[in-house]
Amino acid sequence: QKEVEQDPGPLSVPEGAIVSLNCTYSNSAFQYFMWYRQYSRKGPELLMYTYSSGNKEDGRFTAQVDKSSKYISLFIRDSQPSDSATYLCAMSASGGTNAGKSTFGDGTTLTVKP
Amino acid sequence: DADVTQTPRNRITKTGKRIMLECSQTKGHDRMYWYRQDPGLGLRLIYYSFDVKDINKGEISDGYSVSRQAQAKFSLSLESAIPNQTALYFCATSDAGTGPIRYGYTFGSGTRLTVV
Repeated sequence: QKEVEQDPGPLSVPEGAIVSLNCTYSNSAFQYFMWYRQYSRKGPELLMYTYSSGNKEDGRFTAQVDKSSKYISLFIRDSQPSDSATYLCAMSASGGTNAGKSTFGDGTTLTVKP
Repeated sequence: DADVTQTPRNRITKTGKRIMLECSQTKGHDRMYWYRQDPGLGLRLIYYSFDVKDINKGEISDGYSVSRQAQAKFSLSLESAIPNQTALYFCATSDAGTGPIRYGYTFGSGTRLTVV
């Protein structure tokens, strides 16, 4: 079983909808949680990062971490066609031989229709 | 110029040929990674390097080799290319400093490799 499982999608929503993207994980050592956005034929780009549990907001994007449930989410409010991309979650532990080496989810492809 | 530059952007090669993919970075990061991305399989780690003298195998290193020529350069070689190595290849870098952002990766734009 994979350490990081991501809702596979694809996801298609109308413009203006609230989008929820989700990942679960099994490694309790993960403390750093990232979301990447990847446009077609481009490399992933870091969108948001959080440490430990809680929420972090950046404009229309909110990252949420629940370490007790080993569950993270990315919410997109007022979604726009320009948000159409593949979103990957990633997580890292802070100690041990793998400190700083991220484990990625497989990605969820989102399409926002005008 | 891009922070992480991969060359070539696209390459078609024949089965059995040796091919090298190159990656250079201007981020000043110590850590560099090579991934391949296949539809439905996500990003899979091939090799990673935490500094110039440190090279580590990832989950799918068979058939690949790497060279860390300098802090800024990390090359991936396919010794004898085979069709199932057709994929999108990404180089990435990360910092080894302090704070959460150090664990974020900066990716290159990728190399689309086709082995025929």
